[in-house]
Amino acid sequence: GQQVMQIPQYQHVQEGEDFTTYCNSSTTLSNIQWYKQRPGGHPVFLIQLVKSGEVKKQKRLTFQFGEAKKNSSLHITATQTTDVGTYFCAGPRGATNKLIFGTGTLLAVQP
Amino acid sequence: NAGVTQTPKFRILKIGQSMTLQCTQDMNHNYMYWYRQDPGMGLKLIYYSVGAGITDKGEVPNGYNVSRSTTEDFPLRLELAAPSQTSVYFCASSYPTGQGGQYFGPGTRLTVL
Repeated sequence: GQQVMQIPQYQHVQEGEDFTTYCNSSTTLSNIQWYKQRPGGHPVFLIQLVKSGEVKKQKRLTFQFGEAKKNSSLHITATQTTDVGTYFCAGPRGATNKLIFGTGTLLAVQP
Repeated sequence: NAGVTQTPKFRILKIGQSMTLQCTQDMNHNYMYWYRQDPGMGLKLIYYSVGAGITDKGEVPNGYNVSRSTTEDFPLRLELAAPSQTSVYFCASSYPTGQGGQYFGPGTRLTVL
């Protein structure tokens, strides 16, 4: 069945270092979404990418959607302690409105 | 706007008891979803709805039921609670896929003993 995997599962960085998480789908996606979940919190929608090769920036966060629309990445420049949490990518399951969430990457930032 | 609200925040059930988790959204979204998230894991879709009167199963529907009588409300019913249903339950709502992301409620932390 359709799968969405993320690597790494866990990353520990020093504050100020960069961080990247990668998302890979077993099928082509019409769009990819990214969410952040703080420890003990709920997922919060960050962004949606739709076009092949699309790149979007939100302050220190850069999101990319692969040319084949099967992979995506989230890069954080100069991490801060406020970036701590789990980052999930998600894509539509087939042609439905149901999302399949990736396995998530837990980011820990040491001050 | 309150967004997506869920009640209760916490609940402890005994095996075999039943309960309803409430979810309300005030964003006039047609699409609503119920997920469960086990510790350290990702989100699994239980049920979803594309509008009032229309519901469909997700990945893990067994042991749960839903109804959608209004656009705003999407309650999740647990019948005959089992320890395997211990989890955090999130309700979410959205416009159709491609028109932005899903907005999640704060969650209900359920323990079945």
